[in-house]
Amino acid sequence: EAGVAQSPRYKIIEKRQSVAFWCNPISGHATLYWYQQILGQGPKLLIQFQNNGVVDDSQLPKDRFSAERLKGVDSTLKIQPAKLEDSAVYLCASSFSGYNEQFFGPGTRLTVL
Amino acid sequence: KNEVEQSPQNLTAQEGEFITINCSYSVGISALHWLQQHPGGGIVSLFMLSSGKKKHGRLIATINIQEKHSSLHITASHPRDSAVYICAVEKGGSEKLVFGKGTKLTVNP
Repeated sequence: EAGVAQSPRYKIIEKRQSVAFWCNPISGHATLYWYQQILGQGPKLLIQFQNNGVVDDSQLPKDRFSAERLKGVDSTLKIQPAKLEDSAVYLCASSFSGYNEQFFGPGTRLTVL
Repeated sequence: KNEVEQSPQNLTAQEGEFITINCSYSVGISALHWLQQHPGGGIVSLFMLSSGKKKHGRLIATINIQEKHSSLHITASHPRDSAVYICAVEKGGSEKLVFGKGTKLTVNP
């Protein structure tokens, strides 16, 4: 079974630039999560999708972050414009349903200069 | 105060030592997860438990619901066990995971 795929693995940008991350969950997993993990911290949930609908985006900084999962499969997370404090690893995870074990992708390490 | 606290933050051990990592939480939970994160890599789920004890190879996880405490033990530690171990809880009635800050384990040969 293929795992959760994410790209790119690494990204370096300057502040005020835009960046997008892509995630392809495990086939058949209805629930998809985007997490932000700042160095030395545990992951923080940014947004949770159930199929193509948003379940929870309470911690998503909506003035600069956006995410979509148009067809209920893969998802894109965008930051526009980026700030220095956005430097982090962005993790995507998926689960069969929200109450099942989550499977994590390898993450995208973002550095904002 | 964080809802999930782990100790220690950093742990260095010699190969073969018995390792214990602790997790305390302050909220009602439906389940607790132990996760492993290697440098530059993603996160791998080790255990999901809601009571008692689970064992997988050299790893053992226990939980005491009354005391709101869980421990992850590694027997006969090996350098390849070096990673960050993260405790996360599912708050009662919620699908969301609340994560601890992680414990960085280094096992020296």
